[in-house]
Amino acid sequence: DSGVTQTPKHLITATGQRVTLRCSPRSGDLSVYWYQQSLDQGLQFLIQYYNGEERAKGNILERFSAQQFPDLHSELNLSSLELGDSALYFCASSVAEGSSYNEQFFGPGTRLTVL
Amino acid sequence: AQSVTQLGSHVSVSEGALVLLRCNYSSSVPPYLFWYVQYPNQGLQLLLKYTTGATLVKGINGFEAEFKKSETSFHLTKPSAHMSDAAEYFCAVSEGAGFKTIFGAGTRLFVKA
Repeated sequence: DSGVTQTPKHLITATGQRVTLRCSPRSGDLSVYWYQQSLDQGLQFLIQYYNGEERAKGNILERFSAQQFPDLHSELNLSSLELGDSALYFCASSVAEGSSYNEQFFGPGTRLTVL
Repeated sequence: AQSVTQLGSHVSVSEGALVLLRCNYSSSVPPYLFWYVQYPNQGLQLLLKYTTGATLVKGINGFEAEFKKSETSFHLTKPSAHMSDAAEYFCAVSEGAGFKTIFGAGTRLFVKA
C-alpha cells in the first residue's frame, strides 16, 4: 500500500459526459501528479501540482483540467469525453521540494471506460 | 530536455535465467534515475533509484541497476528470474527534486517455466 488513494476504482460513462477523479496523496506529500495509461500511448504524464499550484504540464488535453485543494487532495476533471479517453488514470505523490530526490508513490488507479 | 529510451517492449526469459532490461537516458544535468515495476492491475512501485554516490544500486526483490555516465545507461538486472517477476518495468529520469519525471515506454517481462 503506497498510501495514495484514488476514487473511484472504476468508472463507466458515455461519450460527451464529464467525470471527476479524486486523489489523496500520502500524508506529508506536497506534490501530486496525474498520468494516463493506455495500451496504445503507454504512460503519459498529464500534470503536476505542488502545494496547490500548477508546477508542470505534460500532454494534457484542453478538455481535461485539474486542481489541488488546500488539504492537498487533487481532482482531475475530464469533460466532453471521447472513446479514446478510456484508460487507466494514475495519481502519484511525492515530497518534491525539500526532498533530495523525486521518488513518486503511485495510487492504484481509476479505470475509466467511455462507451 | 530529458528523455528515456527502453530497448525492447517485451523481454522473455526462462525461470532462473538472467534478467536484463535496458534503459538509456538523455539529460542536460546529472540525472536522478529510477526503475519502477507495475504488476497487473496495480499502480507503479519503486524498485530502485540512483541519485548520487555509488553507481551500482540495489533495489527490492533482488534487482539492481548500474549508472554508467559514459554510456548514458541505467540497465536493470537480476541474476535469476522468478515467475513472480513477470510485470511491466519502467525506467524514469528526473533532473532533480521538484522537477517532473519522464518515464520510458515500459518493458513487459515474461518469465517462462
